[in-house]
Amino acid sequence: GIQVEQSPPDLILQEGANSTLRCNFSDSVNNLQWFHQNPWGQLINLFYIPSGTKQNGRLSATTVATERYSLLYISSSQTTDSGVYFCAAIQGAQKLVFGQGTRLTINP
Amino acid sequence: DAGVTQSPTHLIKTRGQQVTLRCSPKSGHDTVSWYQQALGQGPQFIFQYYEEEERQRGNFPDRFSGHQFPNYSSELNVNALLLGDSALYLCASSPGGDIQYFGAGTRLSVL
Repeated sequence: GIQVEQSPPDLILQEGANSTLRCNFSDSVNNLQWFHQNPWGQLINLFYIPSGTKQNGRLSATTVATERYSLLYISSSQTTDSGVYFCAAIQGAQKLVFGQGTRLTINP
Repeated sequence: DAGVTQSPTHLIKTRGQQVTLRCSPKSGHDTVSWYQQALGQGPQFIFQYYEEEERQRGNFPDRFSGHQFPNYSSELNVNALLLGDSALYLCASSPGGDIQYFGAGTRLSVL
């Protein structure tokens, strides 16, 4: 089955900095989603982006399907951006395959 | 419009017991998927239900079973609990298996 790898595993930044999180997947995908997991465990949908670029406020995402990677950009980071970010892919069938996550810590 | 709701939020069981977790999907969603998330790991797919049938299953033993009701709500049952079953259990709903939306999860501790 498809493999999903995220990098870096941990990222520590100062408030106001920009960050780039990467997600590599081993095969073509039908669906790719980015999530933010809050401290209480809930997965918050950020983007549904099997290809192309989308933006939502300070966050944007780009998926290059032909090269099998996706990037999540966070600009002007705030302390509330801290948490674990997951990407997850679907290939063919409907199960999401998650990466191991990137733990982002934004210090004031 | 309520999102995906899960109950209970926390649960403590002892080894060998059985547990039932519940999930109500978002309005208009007919597909429910269950995931297990161990501490420090990404969620792992358990199974998916559509039209009251298990449509796909991940690499989990038969101790894990589920059900979907006519109103699309779902239950996850785990028998003969092991210490290793301690995890956050997440339910996701989707309209036909497309974009998935997650509930807040049930945190299960097995002592």
